[in-house]
Amino acid sequence: DAGVIQSPRHEVTEMGQEVTLRCKPISGHDYLFWYRQTMMRGLELLIYFNNNVPIDDSGMPEDRFSAKMPNASFSTLKIQPSEPRDSAVYFCASSAGQSTNEKLFFGSGTQLSVL
Amino acid sequence: SQKIEQNSEALNIQEGKTATLTCNYTNYSPAYLQWYRQDPGRGPVFLLLIRENEKEKRKERLKVTFDTTLKQSLFHITASQPADSATYLCAPSDYNQGGKLIFGQGTELSVKP
Repeated sequence: DAGVIQSPRHEVTEMGQEVTLRCKPISGHDYLFWYRQTMMRGLELLIYFNNNVPIDDSGMPEDRFSAKMPNASFSTLKIQPSEPRDSAVYFCASSAGQSTNEKLFFGSGTQLSVL
Repeated sequence: SQKIEQNSEALNIQEGKTATLTCNYTNYSPAYLQWYRQDPGRGPVFLLLIRENEKEKRKERLKVTFDTTLKQSLFHITASQPADSATYLCAPSDYNQGGKLIFGQGTELSVKP
């Protein structure tokens, strides 16, 4: 398996623009997580899905952020409109789902810069 | 609120020595705790998981302890090598969290030759 695949690897955009980050989890994994990492706040959990259903989105900072998982092999995180404070590395991770203590596999992340 | 604390300052040690990293947590009753390694520009990579009924776990040069009374986990790397230089993150979790995993800020380790 190729692991968790994220795209794009880097994204530079201007304030006010819509940004869409994409993730393909490992095949067969039931859980998918979106994290954001900054120097100040570390690795923050934004939202996670189980079997394509959002379970906990309490970490989503504002209504400008939305996430979808239309099928088991694809998820998106959208920011509309984007702001400079959204600049961070966004990670997607997946895990094999039957128990709650499965390890997470992370993608390489998307480095987002909002100018 | 739940809080996870790791050494905020970078840890610098000499090659061959043992590195010890600390993870403290409050307002948690974790059933297990995971440790991850993160290299610059990469996503975290799983290293070890220790359960509440396990006091200690080993994997090659790595050793993790879990003290639920002290609410602390220690992560040791023996005979450290420059290739061990990275940031190490801990993530305690309990069964009530439904698969959710929250990470500490991480500790940066630098092993000098």
